[in-house]
Amino acid sequence: QSALTQPASVSGSPGQSITISCTGTSSDVGSYDLVSWYQQHPGKAPKFMIYEVSKRPSGVSNRFSGSKSGNTASLTISGLQAEDEADYYCCSYAGSSSFVVFGGGTKLTVL
Amino acid sequence: QVQLVQSGAEVKKPGASVKVSCKASGYTFTNYGINWVRLAPGQGLEWMGWISAYNGDTNYIQKLHGRVTMTTDTSTTTAYMELRSLRSDDTAVYYCTTTVTSHWAFDIWGQGTMVTVSS
Repeated sequence: QSALTQPASVSGSPGQSITISCTGTSSDVGSYDLVSWYQQHPGKAPKFMIYEVSKRPSGVSNRFSGSKSGNTASLTISGLQAEDEADYYCCSYAGSSSFVVFGGGTKLTVL
Repeated sequence: QVQLVQSGAEVKKPGASVKVSCKASGYTFTNYGINWVRLAPGQGLEWMGWISAYNGDTNYIQKLHGRVTMTTDTSTTTAYMELRSLRSDDTAVYYCTTTVTSHWAFDIWGQGTMVTVSS
């Protein structure tokens, strides 16, 4: 059960947009529209940001958006703010043998 | 409100066992499963497995088979995760989480339980 592949780090200036990629396989990301994204600040529990590839839970800013193409999912954050600085993890359902796989995480730095 | 509240931090010696609890409130406990996810120092999130709070069915990741047991007590709406034969690389923050909004989308999280394995 291999982790989904994310860049280790990304950075951007306040007001800019950034995109975090999440590459899986045809057994997980490519097969199911069950990709979710989580934000985690140091010492805190993960926060649910995106589900089913592109749906936003209530209370999550519309600056956060998700998409998918083939085996790669993406999280885009527009209008970067200082409080967006955190670790971000993607996650995908991977079928009834592996069930769930997470990405390795991406550290977002707001310059 | 919907919440999961976990037990406190634990320090264990290699070879020992640990049992972490996760008390659910604010929703119908038996309608949703409880998943366990851990975050080891310098690592990413790792899904450990899932238990149905409805009938107790479980699924664990292969690497933990034989060392982990997940249970629930519907009378107290509490889930438990026991990990045996602890090793230093089991040192991590352990989270319980559930999926009220959508299948396999972890919307509610416990606050986390730090488990340190050290001699």
